[in-house]
Amino acid sequence: EPEVTQTPSHQVTQMGQEVILRCVPISNHLYFYWYRQILGQKVEFLVSFYNNEISEKSEIFDDQFSVERPDGSNFTLKIRSTKLEDSAMYFCASSEGTGAIWYEQYFGPGTRLTVT
Amino acid sequence: SQQGEEDPQALSIQEGENATMNCSYKTSINNLQWYRQNSGRGLVHLILIRSNEREKHSGRLRVTLDTSKKSSSLLITASRAADTASYFCATLEANTGNQFYFGTGTSLTVIP
Repeated sequence: EPEVTQTPSHQVTQMGQEVILRCVPISNHLYFYWYRQILGQKVEFLVSFYNNEISEKSEIFDDQFSVERPDGSNFTLKIRSTKLEDSAMYFCASSEGTGAIWYEQYFGPGTRLTVT
Repeated sequence: SQQGEEDPQALSIQEGENATMNCSYKTSINNLQWYRQNSGRGLVHLILIRSNEREKHSGRLRVTLDTSKKSSSLLITASRAADTASYFCATLEANTGNQFYFGTGTSLTVIP
């Protein structure tokens, strides 16, 4: 069964460093998303991406964050200058079709980001 | 804020018993989805129910939706130890695109 994959599974970085989290969405999906989950807290929406541009973003998704689909398969989240509070599990998701009203979002296994 | 709230926060049952988890939300929705998360792992999609649906089944799962009460329930029948996980509802608000709001989750423990 097709699945969303994410790499790396765990990333440790020092405060102020740039990190890139990678995701390979399900191949026939058109919408891509990033969420994060700080330990013990709710899963929070960061950004959605469609047709090579951001379609929605939350207040969390400030100027230090960016997303890109550099080729036909990868979808990346870049954090330019990491802060301690960026430590969280980051989930990528994808959905088929042009609207989440009809389609499930399928999540990857997550990347645990630890900022020291 | 739309965020769903699950109830109870924690539930412990014996294997073979049924488990019922509830989710309440605040504003109109297009759909509601239930996810499972094993400790430290990713989110596994369980079931999607649309705002014009009242009940859906998938194997041992039964989901109901009452839009008048702004609530949903997830019933797991004949529970197994492998069902031990956290269960989240995620709501898609009407007219707000593709952003899902997740609840705080119910931690289910099934005792063998």
